[in-house]
Amino acid sequence: EAQVTQNPRYLITVTGKKLTVTCSQNMNHEYMSWYRQDPGLGLRQIYYSMNVEVTDKGDVPEGYKVSRKEKRNFPLILESPSPNQTSLYFCASTAGGTDTQYFGPGTRLTVL
Amino acid sequence: SQQGEEDPQALSIQEGENATMNCSYKTSINNLQWYRQNSGRGLVHLILIRSNEREKHSGRLRVTLDTSKKSSSLLITASRAADTASYFCATDAHTGNQFYFGTGTSLTVIP
Repeated sequence: EAQVTQNPRYLITVTGKKLTVTCSQNMNHEYMSWYRQDPGLGLRQIYYSMNVEVTDKGDVPEGYKVSRKEKRNFPLILESPSPNQTSLYFCASTAGGTDTQYFGPGTRLTVL
Repeated sequence: SQQGEEDPQALSIQEGENATMNCSYKTSINNLQWYRQNSGRGLVHLILIRSNEREKHSGRLRVTLDTSKKSSSLLITASRAADTASYFCATDAHTGNQFYFGTGTSLTVIP
């Protein structure tokens, strides 16, 4: 089954404690992306990757890092989380450029 | 930011009625997509319309695109309670690398 998986689904952490949210897709897609969703703001793109070892900033990259060492994986790293990063995070992938995106189930992160 | 806006923010209708929601965006695009999200879950793609298309249909969905006005509309005909969800439009930058989502329309269909 074609899918995008994220882990963990729920995470509560404290300010400053480094964390990683994993994302994996099994569709051999080149393009992967991370979004955060906040009430009243819709989805905002954090980082995207056009291919292995190619990553670019989206609209709200501050406080986040990503890496793309393999085609299927695109982890999101918060080196020093802060309460304003409390949000619902989605990973997505697409075969090419701006075609249909396939979304993961989401990771609800709370930073205390 | 190119982030779009949906209108209305919330819409409540009776089952069987049609639901129309609108999306406006700011700069030129290659295509526009509509997505659906059930509460707190991942987004599901509904339909994509390219910048050189004016109208597209998929089942009970009808999408229009007016690039001169930088706007799109999504019509859901003969709505069902199961259509209750949030609906988002998404556009790409003309460079084709980034996606921009609107703020969403929350649709409630009353049985």
